[in-house]
Amino acid sequence: AAGVIQSPRHLIKEKRETATLKCYPIPRHDTVYWYQQGPGQDPQFLISFYEKMQSDKGSIPDRFSAQQFSDYHSELNMSSLELGDSALYFCASSSIAESSYNEQFFGPGTRLTVL
Amino acid sequence: LAKTTQPISMDSYEGQEVNITCSHNNIATNDYITWYQQFPSQGPRFIIQGYKTKVTNEVASLFIPADRKSSTLSLPRVSLSDTAVYYCLVARDGAGSYQLTFGKGTKLSVIP
Repeated sequence: AAGVIQSPRHLIKEKRETATLKCYPIPRHDTVYWYQQGPGQDPQFLISFYEKMQSDKGSIPDRFSAQQFSDYHSELNMSSLELGDSALYFCASSSIAESSYNEQFFGPGTRLTVL
Repeated sequence: LAKTTQPISMDSYEGQEVNITCSHNNIATNDYITWYQQFPSQGPRFIIQGYKTKVTNEVASLFIPADRKSSTLSLPRVSLSDTAVYYCLVARDGAGSYQLTFGKGTKLSVIP
């Protein structure tokens, strides 16, 4: 079965640079979520999109922005990167039409390292 | 969203049943209780979800008392591959999406 695809899988950036992470949800899933998991930390919800509209916002820094495109893929744009942004970034997708539990299916993550 | 509290860690021998209890005293009427499993450097994976009473699927059971202030995840006959972090979450429905707020999960170590 198709899974959530994230690219790139690994990314190394310098401080103050920008980064763009991409997420391709499972086909027919209409909701995308972004989470950040720092080393030894629990996942933290950043932002979500339902039918291409922002549906919920968590602890996403103002330096970050995200959007969901017409093909339902999503991009997380990160600017003025800081050392503390080094983390695993997970994208998840879901669809209430596909499952009554509306469970979130997580991708493999993008490991961002800021030097 | 209701805060959840669960044990930081648990150890179990292979073949035993493991029960992980989570408290969520301030759960709201439209909140669901959901459990996810996470292996190192992998995304969390949905295990089970319930609203009240008992839910069972092919991998686990979830027991929720009438007051819904706690829940217990039951893993029957664990194996070494069940070593992972287990998260109890309260999921709030919002505009077509369920926001998941991860707290401190339970690190389960299965011992041979």
